[in-house]
Amino acid sequence: NAGVMQNPRHLVRRRGQEARLRCSPMKGHSHVYWYRQLPEEGLKFMVYLQKENIIDESGMPKERFSAEFPKEGPSILRIQQVVRGDSAAYFCASSPARNSYNEQFFGPGTRLTVL
Amino acid sequence: DAKTTQPTSMDCAEGRAANLPCNHSTISGNEYVYWYRQIHSQGPQYIIHGLKNNETNEMASLIITEDRKSSTLILPHATLRDTAVYYCIVRVVNRDDKIIFGKGTRLHILP
Repeated sequence: NAGVMQNPRHLVRRRGQEARLRCSPMKGHSHVYWYRQLPEEGLKFMVYLQKENIIDESGMPKERFSAEFPKEGPSILRIQQVVRGDSAAYFCASSPARNSYNEQFFGPGTRLTVL
Repeated sequence: DAKTTQPTSMDCAEGRAANLPCNHSTISGNEYVYWYRQIHSQGPQYIIHGLKNNETNEMASLIITEDRKSSTLILPHATLRDTAVYYCIVRVVNRDDKIIFGKGTRLHILP
């Protein structure tokens, strides 16, 4: 059973460009969470999605950031008009619909560098 | 979710038991204690969780005090690969929501 997959693993963008980060949850998982880790800082929750629905986006910046988890395909975290402060590691986690232990399984992350 | 307090860093000799403490004095009756770790440049990894009884799995043991206000994660025979940041988190089980990570404990396993 493959784990959570994220791609690309490393992404370089110039200021003003768009960044698209992809997350494929574990097989059978319908819940996806995105977290961001700025350099030398802790992990911060961004958004929680179920298939085709955003459940909690309380950690998402109000502008330039969006997330989706379509019925088919991976979850996408999209950052428009990137700035240097967006440089960070972005981690995706997934969990099954019935999650009696409330465990989240994390992917390897995408490291975004904004030049 | 209740707050937790952990030491900033700890050292442990390779082959010895690593004991990582965590205080969660405001924990609620329906909140579990979870431990995750993050090895450098990797995604966080679930280790173990418990409510009030001691728990053990292939990775670690979790000892929770009777009043549930503190706990200790034990790595019985630490190896160099156990060097990581360890996060103690309290969460309600059966509720799908975000994990609130604190600063954790940076554990250094010394050769």
